[in-house]
Amino acid sequence: EVQLVQSGAEVKKPGESLKISCKGSGYSFTSYWIGWVRQMPGKGLEWMGIIYPGDSDTRYSPSFQGQVTISADKSISTAYLQWSSLKASDTAMYYCARPSYYYDSSGYYFRWFDPWGQGTLVTVSS
Amino acid sequence: QSVLTQPPSVSGAPGQRVTISCTGSSSNIGAGYDVHWYQQLPGTAPKLLIYGNSNRPSGVPDRFSGSKSGTSASLAISGLQAEDEADYYCQSYDSSLGGVFGGGTKLTVL
Repeated sequence: EVQLVQSGAEVKKPGESLKISCKGSGYSFTSYWIGWVRQMPGKGLEWMGIIYPGDSDTRYSPSFQGQVTISADKSISTAYLQWSSLKASDTAMYYCARPSYYYDSSGYYFRWFDPWGQGTLVTVSS
Repeated sequence: QSVLTQPPSVSGAPGQRVTISCTGSSSNIGAGYDVHWYQQLPGTAPKLLIYGNSNRPSGVPDRFSGSKSGTSASLAISGLQAEDEADYYCQSYDSSLGGVFGGGTKLTVL
């Protein structure tokens, strides 16, 4: 069974750093992209970015470029989402998910997300 | 403001049919990129409901169906049941932005 298991909830203060994780199992971790999705309290889903653990090729949504860092350690089948200096506005649920994708002469394009991790709640408050 | 536009809420009585629209533009749905739908029950992670405009993953009841035309897509739920009460999101790909979601629609079963 393909599974994504995320790290537990975090409570941090503004200005602190944080790295949350997403461990894949049941499939070849280096052969599939992994994406991150944000859901702020009471709001909708936002596509943040994705990484291909096989070669660490990383793509960010323009809204999140420079705000977070996505990385992966293929030796332990784990992807990460990292902040260097948290803000109160980073308070949200963060999901990892595996996207289906298509590749042609124009490059990659990403399709549906399945499966999803259970989510990691990040709370940033002074 | 989401790139894909959904109605904030829809409602229907048990047994009825409801539809949820998802309107995009020439850089996403209208460019030929396919549309996917997710169901999010309260307090849970989103679950894939429809992929590739109209395909159901294994285990999703055939009461759920999807379609796409031009720059829009729709999710239809027939034979509405109490357990369908949830938030529903459409998702596609945008040539400039990458992956994009709709703002979500809250379905209330009356």
